[in-house]
Amino acid sequence: EAQVTQNPRYLITVTGKKLTVTCSQNMNHEYMSWYRQDPGLGLRQIYYSMNVEVTDKGDVPEGYKVSRKEKRNFPLILESPSPNQTSLYFCASSPGQGDTYVSNQPQHFGDGTRLSIL
Amino acid sequence: AQKVTQAQTEISVVEKEDVTLDCVYETRDTTYYLFWYKQPPSGELVFLIRRNSFDEQNEISGRYSWNFQKSTSSFNFTITASQVVDSAVYFCALSDRHLIYNQGGKLIFGQGTELSVKP
Repeated sequence: EAQVTQNPRYLITVTGKKLTVTCSQNMNHEYMSWYRQDPGLGLRQIYYSMNVEVTDKGDVPEGYKVSRKEKRNFPLILESPSPNQTSLYFCASSPGQGDTYVSNQPQHFGDGTRLSIL
Repeated sequence: AQKVTQAQTEISVVEKEDVTLDCVYETRDTTYYLFWYKQPPSGELVFLIRRNSFDEQNEISGRYSWNFQKSTSSFNFTITASQVVDSAVYFCALSDRHLIYNQGGKLIFGQGTELSVKP
């Protein structure tokens, strides 16, 4: 089954304690992204990756790091979490440029990770 | 810059009523894609539809229908005979050629419309 898998689904932690949210996709997609969702703001892109070893900042990258060492994985790292990073996080993947994108495939989203930073 | 506006923050209806969720978008690109996602209380994002800018045909899927009007830059979503299970937050989103080729297929989301269907 085609899917994007995020872990953990829920996490409560404290300020300053490094954490990693993992994301894995099994569709051989080139593109992967992280979004955060906050009330009244919709979803905003944090970082994205257009291929292995290629990552770039989205709209709200401050306080986050990512890496893309292999095509299927795109972890989100919070080196020193702060309360303003309390949010619902989504990982997404899609096929990338060219005909495969035009072929009516939507972005596939993970089920979300609810982070609470105390 | 690209933008999606969902002016209705919350809508409350009684079961069996029809309800329309509005979505207005902005992009300078002539090639773009519009999406609707549903987010039930459990939190996941459920893909409902994707429409490209060259296809202005309206679409119907069961009780759901979508009205795409390029002249008004709108992509509205109607639920006919609403049910309690339709209660969710609904997001409209946009991606265009620039976002696809330069920003990882980034989606620009509206703020979401929270639909509450009461029995």
